[in-house]
Amino acid sequence: GQSLEQPSEVTAVEGAIVQINCTYQTSGFYGLSWYQQHDGGAPTFLSYNALDGLEETGRFSSFLSRSDSYGYLLLQELQMKDSASYFCAVTWETGGFKTIFGAGTRLFVKA
Amino acid sequence: DVKVTQSSRYLVKRTGEKVFLECVQDMDHENMFWYRQDPGLGLRLIYFSYDVKMKEKGDIPEGYSVSREKKERFSLILESASTNQTSMYLCASSLREGGSAEAFFGQGTRLTVV
Repeated sequence: GQSLEQPSEVTAVEGAIVQINCTYQTSGFYGLSWYQQHDGGAPTFLSYNALDGLEETGRFSSFLSRSDSYGYLLLQELQMKDSASYFCAVTWETGGFKTIFGAGTRLFVKA
Repeated sequence: DVKVTQSSRYLVKRTGEKVFLECVQDMDHENMFWYRQDPGLGLRLIYFSYDVKMKEKGDIPEGYSVSREKKERFSLILESASTNQTSMYLCASSLREGGSAEAFFGQGTRLTVV
């Protein structure tokens, strides 16, 4: 089966940089995505890596290494509003695009 | 903007009832998904559909069924609700093909089975 592992919690200080790792045990997937979810809200898409390497979108960057079965989300210049849960997800093409998620990492940003 | 709308935000049902959760998307997406979200377990895929009348089981399909009679609507059915199906249910949609495979989520239905 497929599984994704993420740390359950990460704490960082406002203005700092934090990295949330995602390791997976699966193969043949189409890409690795990251989603953010604030308490009481719906998950929202942050980034996507179809190829190995770094993708940058403003303060957020995401990295994928298929050979190492590993990816991460990098958040720079942390703000209090970044306190949320972050999920990595992998997508396969099986007729449609099937997407499964990790258990999520709760990020606490302290002043 | 893509909009995914779930019919109810909160729902309370009795054990043994048949429960219908409805989801509608307005962006002509081929893929639609039902997940349940429980603390510490993340989002677990129940079923997904990539076309009208097409469906595939996810990781936890037991006790659930789905219906997709129209492209924009994907229904989740709890055949006989049980207390262990108390959860947050999230519907999502995405394009069938595309570079990002970005999924758009509804606001969720908090279902309590008593």
